Amino acid sequence: AQSVTQLGSHVSVSEGALVLLRCNYSSSVPPYLFWYVQYPNQGLQLLLKYTSAATLVKGINGFEAEFKKSETSFHLTKPSAHMSDAAEYFCAVSGDSGYSTLTFGKGTMLLVSP
Amino acid sequence: ETGVTQTPRHLVMGMTNKKSLKCEQHLGHNAMYWYKQSAKKPLELMFVYSLEERVENNSVPSRFSPECPNSSHLFLHLHTLQPEDSALYLCASSQVGLTGEKLFFGSGTQLSVL
Repeated sequence: AQSVTQLGSHVSVSEGALVLLRCNYSSSVPPYLFWYVQYPNQGLQLLLKYTSAATLVKGINGFEAEFKKSETSFHLTKPSAHMSDAAEYFCAVSGDSGYSTLTFGKGTMLLVSP
Repeated sequence: ETGVTQTPRHLVMGMTNKKSLKCEQHLGHNAMYWYKQSAKKPLELMFVYSLEERVENNSVPSRFSPECPNSSHLFLHLHTLQPEDSALYLCASSQVGLTGEKLFFGSGTQLSVL
């Protein structure tokens, strides 16, 4: 069984500041980990995914995440926030079936102020 | 545009109505999913169809009835819903057999039950 915990339902940053969204997971098998973003009135869009090839994963829009097995974490970062980054971000862990039964966290709303 | 199209975008229905949600994917995938997104709760997996067979049904009430006539189309038939069923219903698709494969989501149907 898998689970995901996202710390903080809301994170506020100023434009140009570092973005850090936290995600911790538990999994009984080596995990596949994902970050998705959801803009208002839209579905979820994949930002990046970890599949054991490299611990530092680069995604779209300047985001990256680092897999730390010892900490069971997969935090999402971006060096400099942009107004267009304001959205809800979801961390997810994949099950071990042949199809993608993702377990999602509750989401973190990123607010970016000018 | 993710290649997964959901209709309608918005639906308001009474508790005695019968309606259907439609999802179509143009990605050549062979697994399709229904997720429920409620405020302040993690995305809940409702149903999975893999190779047109239902492979998961996560204790979903019988007032929700899925149908997958082929690998490109997925329906969710609704009848005698309750107000607590009001939520965003998201359809997704992926390719079976690739553990860790990402999901592609539609924009969702925002359902309000009066």
